[in-house]
Amino acid sequence: QVLVVQSGPEVRKPGSSVKVSCKASGGTLSSYTLSWVRQAPGQGLEWLGRIIAVLGTTHYSQKFQGRVTISADKSTATAYMELNSLTSDDTAVYYCATETGIFCNRSSCYAGLFDFWGQGTLVTVSS
Amino acid sequence: DIQMTQSPSSLSASVGDRVTITCRASQSINNYLNWYQQKPGKAPKLLISATSNLQSGVPSRFSGSGSGTDFTLTISSLQPEDFATYFCQQSYSTPPVTFGQGTRLEIK
Repeated sequence: QVLVVQSGPEVRKPGSSVKVSCKASGGTLSSYTLSWVRQAPGQGLEWLGRIIAVLGTTHYSQKFQGRVTISADKSTATAYMELNSLTSDDTAVYYCATETGIFCNRSSCYAGLFDFWGQGTLVTVSS
Repeated sequence: DIQMTQSPSSLSASVGDRVTITCRASQSINNYLNWYQQKPGKAPKLLISATSNLQSGVPSRFSGSGSGTDFTLTISSLQPEDFATYFCQQSYSTPPVTFGQGTRLEIK
């Protein structure tokens, strides 16, 4: 069983940045691919990107390219998602999830299954 | 990007009803289609992978079918704990991972 624990709620002003952490226990960070998914109030699920920790490889949604950075610190077994240039549209619950079974070839990846999720981190962007 | 479209966006049903939710992909995704259930204030939970594989612990009243572009999630006899929002997700070609917009299943 994998337990995914995220950092607490954040409030930011427009134009600022936020960094959310995610710690997966029950294995080593290097064995995980971690994806970040957000959900605006009353809305659906939106994928921001992933990190394949064993390779240190990141993939991002083109919508967020240049504004999001996903990283991992193997020494603390913690992954991070940093989102810059925040606007009110970024107000959402941000989830970290393990992505099991991902397979990539040269051009694209068959995504894994999002099988273990964190509790979510509410990020509120307000002036 | 592969677009996923679910229908209906909301559905009212009674305990014991049989309900079907559909999900359509903008191009063929073979059988790379997963379903998630989300209850208010909680993270999504993986229900079905690869179109029809029930995850461990998921009741057998849930089933999935389809291939190519058209998929369905069926609940054979609704139970009170099944009232939730359901999302489909394609895993055929990423990035990006894409989800359907969700189907909210409510008690009639």
